[in-house]
Amino acid sequence: KAGVTQTPRYLIKTRGQQVTLSCSPISGHRSVSWYQQTPGQGLQFLFEYFSETQRNKGNFPGRFSGRQFSNSRSEMNVSTLELGDSALYLCASSLGSGDYNSPLHFGNGTRLTVT
Amino acid sequence: QKEVEQNSGPLSVPEGAIASLNCTYSDRGSQSFFWYRQYSGKSPELIMFIYSNGDKEDGRFTAQLNKASQYVSLLIRDSQPSDSATYLCAAPGGQNFVFGPGTRLSVLP
Repeated sequence: KAGVTQTPRYLIKTRGQQVTLSCSPISGHRSVSWYQQTPGQGLQFLFEYFSETQRNKGNFPGRFSGRQFSNSRSEMNVSTLELGDSALYLCASSLGSGDYNSPLHFGNGTRLTVT
Repeated sequence: QKEVEQNSGPLSVPEGAIASLNCTYSDRGSQSFFWYRQYSGKSPELIMFIYSNGDKEDGRFTAQLNKASQYVSLLIRDSQPSDSATYLCAAPGGQNFVFGPGTRLSVLP
């Protein structure tokens, strides 16, 4: 079974630009979560989608948005990029039941650098 | 607000020793816990989960859960240099997982 696939692996953008990251979950997984990881802040939760609906959102500004498609694939968008948005963005999929039967499985991440 | 706490380390152990990684959590209602291993520059990978009080063993790894003390730990027996990584403790919190800051483990040859 294929794992979680994130594209692209690396991105370099300039301040003020916008970026879209893509995530394809494990087949059969209906929940997709996004996390931002920086050296100083650890793994910070962005949002979680299940069956095309955002079920939960972390404490990030409105510049960060996402969506999920009917095939469970998800995209995350960051508008008006700031230097502080430089981070590893991780997508994780799960069955979505929120218990021990559905741990998160992470993709390889997208490393975003904002200059 | 659910919180998961870990000692950030670094924790250094000699090759062949037992590494003990600890995690405390704030929500008494938490039922299950997950341990992830993250190598530098890589994404986290699931290594174990536990949901019952007591011990759970998987190869060289043993997870221990004490719900009364709100404490979960991961023991790595016969530590190898390849175990050098950051270990993240996580607990489901509604529709998202709450992660601890991670403990950096260094196994010295």
